Amino acid sequence: GDSVTQMEGPVTLSEEAFLTINCTYTATGYPSLFWYVQYPGEGLQLLLKATKADDKGSNKGFEATYRKETTSFHLEKGSVQVSDSAVYFCALLYGQNFVFGPGTRLSVLP
Amino acid sequence: GAGVSQSPRYKVAKRGQDVALRCDPISGHVSLFWYQQALGQGPEFLTYFQNEAQLDKSGLPSDRFFAERPEGSVSTLKIQRTQQEDSAVYLCASRPSGSYNEQFFGPGTRLTVL
Repeated sequence: GDSVTQMEGPVTLSEEAFLTINCTYTATGYPSLFWYVQYPGEGLQLLLKATKADDKGSNKGFEATYRKETTSFHLEKGSVQVSDSAVYFCALLYGQNFVFGPGTRLSVLP
Repeated sequence: GAGVSQSPRYKVAKRGQDVALRCDPISGHVSLFWYQQALGQGPEFLTYFQNEAQLDKSGLPSDRFFAERPEGSVSTLKIQRTQQEDSAVYLCASRPSGSYNEQFFGPGTRLTVL
């Protein structure tokens, strides 16, 4: 079945450091790909998405490119802030339902 | 505008008790989804409604789990004879008509079964 794999956390970075969170997927067909973020005590929020190969999703300084050849959708940000501390979930959508990865906790230290 | 709301936010149940978790979707959203998120894991799909019709319940883990949306708005997820393995955060999400990709998530209900 469809699945999503993410790098294990927690990831701890200093403010202004470069962030990469790896995400790879297994799916039949060509799913849409997403990154969701979950701040403490809040629900999941859509961060960015890409619906076809080579699409780049971007939002709030975060970027991810849909790579069909490597079945990957790695999340990057050039300079993280303390306010980026949260849990990040990579997900695919095929049909009606999301399949989420296990999440990666990011802590950014001042 | 108001987002998806869920109640209660926290629920503690003794093993064997029945619980009911409520989801109020964004007004006018046609589709509604329930997910179960175990500690340290990503959400896993439970069931999906379009209006009042339950179109997919393939993710419900056992016949102790039951969901309804009788008037096509508020939904209730009911768990009968709760077990410790039911302890998780239960997330509800809604999606407007005409949107394929985005689901709007509520804050979740954290269920702890003792």
